[in-house]
Amino acid sequence: KNQVEQSPQSLIILEGKNCTLQCNYTVSPFSNLRWYKQDTGRGPVSLTIMTFSENTKSNGRYTATLDADTKQSSLHITASQLSDSASYICVVSGGGTTSGTYKYIFGTGTRLKVLA
Amino acid sequence: DTEVTQTPKHLVMGMTNKKSLKCEQHMGHRAMYWYKQKAKKPPELMFVYSYEKLSINESVPSRFSPECPNSSLLNLHLHALQPEDSALYLCASSQDRTGYEQYFGPGTRLTVT
Repeated sequence: KNQVEQSPQSLIILEGKNCTLQCNYTVSPFSNLRWYKQDTGRGPVSLTIMTFSENTKSNGRYTATLDADTKQSSLHITASQLSDSASYICVVSGGGTTSGTYKYIFGTGTRLKVLA
Repeated sequence: DTEVTQTPKHLVMGMTNKKSLKCEQHMGHRAMYWYKQKAKKPPELMFVYSYEKLSINESVPSRFSPECPNSSLLNLHLHALQPEDSALYLCASSQDRTGYEQYFGPGTRLTVT
């Protein structure tokens, strides 16, 4: 069964601290993995996209890693800011390239709160 | 322009009302999606349009009726909704159905009274 699991479910950190969010998936065949940031009541916004051959990708203070062998990804946030408070959703694409079989599978998300 | 717009931002409707949600994109994308998102849950796929034709309906009740008038517009017609249908409704678009990033709109917060 195609699944995407994220941990922790929620996280509280102090401003300026670093944190790492985890994503494990069982999607097969795998196409790519994206991390989205979703502010409360808003639509998700893409942070990074990683394909099978990529191990690390950065976008400012966000660094994503991918281990395709263990089917794990992480999102590391450096020097957190109050504006980083949001839900972070891991989305794995795959399941085939024939229209109708291709899936965009959402993880359950990690809710991050950054305190001053 | 990498923006997906949705109107209205908020909608409150009674169970006997008929209303519509609208979504628009001008990125030339040929796939458009409706998602429903409950609080603290990931988005759930409802419908997918590919080249203006409905390609996926994830067993959504008939009180939700999608429409794709052209390649830039996507509507969701609502009728006889239930209070449990209250949620954030997200529209997304992508270049094609397979392998491309989905761009999400800001959503419509729907409350059914």
